[in-house]
Amino acid sequence: AQSVSQHNHHVILSEAASLELGCNYSYGGTVNLFWYVQYPGQHLQLLLKYFSGDPLVKGIKGFEAEFIKSKFSFNLRKPSVQWSDTAEYFCAVNQNFGNEKLTFGTGTRLTIIP
Amino acid sequence: EAGVAQSPRYKIIEKRQSVAFWCNPISGHATLYWYQQILGQGPKLLIQFQNNGVVDDSQLPKDRFSAERLKGVDSTLKIQPAKLEDSAVYLCASSFVGQETQYFGPGTRLLVL
Repeated sequence: AQSVSQHNHHVILSEAASLELGCNYSYGGTVNLFWYVQYPGQHLQLLLKYFSGDPLVKGIKGFEAEFIKSKFSFNLRKPSVQWSDTAEYFCAVNQNFGNEKLTFGTGTRLTIIP
Repeated sequence: EAGVAQSPRYKIIEKRQSVAFWCNPISGHATLYWYQQILGQGPKLLIQFQNNGVVDDSQLPKDRFSAERLKGVDSTLKIQPAKLEDSAVYLCASSFVGQETQYFGPGTRLLVL
């Protein structure tokens, strides 16, 4: 069974700091990788996704993530965070078969201090 | 484009009572998912439909949970009887057939006392 690990449970940063959130998955086959974000009081929204091709993917709001197959990792990055990035971030994976269920990590709560 | 709709947004019940949640997916999305998100955890799939057929219900506690999607559009998820550990947010998501991206609704927050 596949699993997803997010090692940072709560990250606190000041505005303009750089961000990197870790995500590791366990599955030997071909996978699709996602980062979802949940802003306070809002529903889960897709931030970015990787299916194939360039392992560096860019998403909305200046976020990017890099797929490193050898490390089973898909870390999320942003060079300069804003107060509005305060949210919970979930990494998720599914098998590349089409309409496969998502397996989520436990999430990382990000708090940005103005 | 309208997103995934869910109701109610909040529900408080006592243990052993029953409760039902409703989901209306994005128009044209044949695949519908119900996830359970317990506080401090990521969402966990309960059941997946494609049109009105069940694709995966391996993690659905079938002794108390049931779900249906009779006409291949709206779906209901029912818990009967509820237990304290069912307190969670129940998320509905939908996607096009063959598409990997799932779109989530706002969720129903359930508290069982």
